[in-house]
Amino acid sequence: AQTVTQSQPEMSVQEAETVTLSCTYDTSESDYYLFWYKQPPSRQMILVIRQEAYKQQNATENRFSVNFQKAAKSFSLKISDSQLGDAAMYFCAATGGGGADGLTFGKGTHLIIQP
Amino acid sequence: DTGVSQDPRHKITKRGQNVTFRCDPISEHNRLYWYRQTLGQGPEFLTYFQNEAQLEKSRLLSDRFSAERPKGSFSTLEIQRTEQGDSAMYLCASSSRLAGNPDTQYFGPGTRLTVL
Repeated sequence: AQTVTQSQPEMSVQEAETVTLSCTYDTSESDYYLFWYKQPPSRQMILVIRQEAYKQQNATENRFSVNFQKAAKSFSLKISDSQLGDAAMYFCAATGGGGADGLTFGKGTHLIIQP
Repeated sequence: DTGVSQDPRHKITKRGQNVTFRCDPISEHNRLYWYRQTLGQGPEFLTYFQNEAQLEKSRLLSDRFSAERPKGSFSTLEIQRTEQGDSAMYLCASSSRLAGNPDTQYFGPGTRLTVL
């Protein structure tokens, strides 16, 4: 069984600053994927970034990047140049089975952007 | 829009009634997933289809819940004899090993169920 832990229920950052959201996971799978999803208030879940466990290079998508530490089972999300539209719940998720399995989600981090 | 769609978006029902939700995945996706999300929590996996075959079911999926994907396209999730504890957002997601971003699940807007 997989577990995903997000230890920060809420984070706050000033607009244009950088913030890092933490995530740790535990899995017995050797082939797995990690994801960060964003869920704005009353809106649907949107993929932010994904990382294949077999890749050593950290994934990046524009202002979003991850710090993937496989040995430590850590997968943090860095948001640079924070914008008001980044305000949302952020969920870390993992899947095994080569990506075919259901996702295991953390409890989420509520990100507040201060103007 | 070719994203995942769900219907209805909101459903209010009385305890003991049956409800059915529909999910239409992204057209080229052969995998379809159902999740349940309660307030303040992350989504919890319920079940997964590859084409029309239901390959995995969570222990959260009690015998009051049934899901189908008869032609490998849209899926339905039925809850019989609803209970107040069934009140939640029901999310559908789809993915494909071949198309676009392989093995990445794309989510629909969800169906919010309220059981009175």
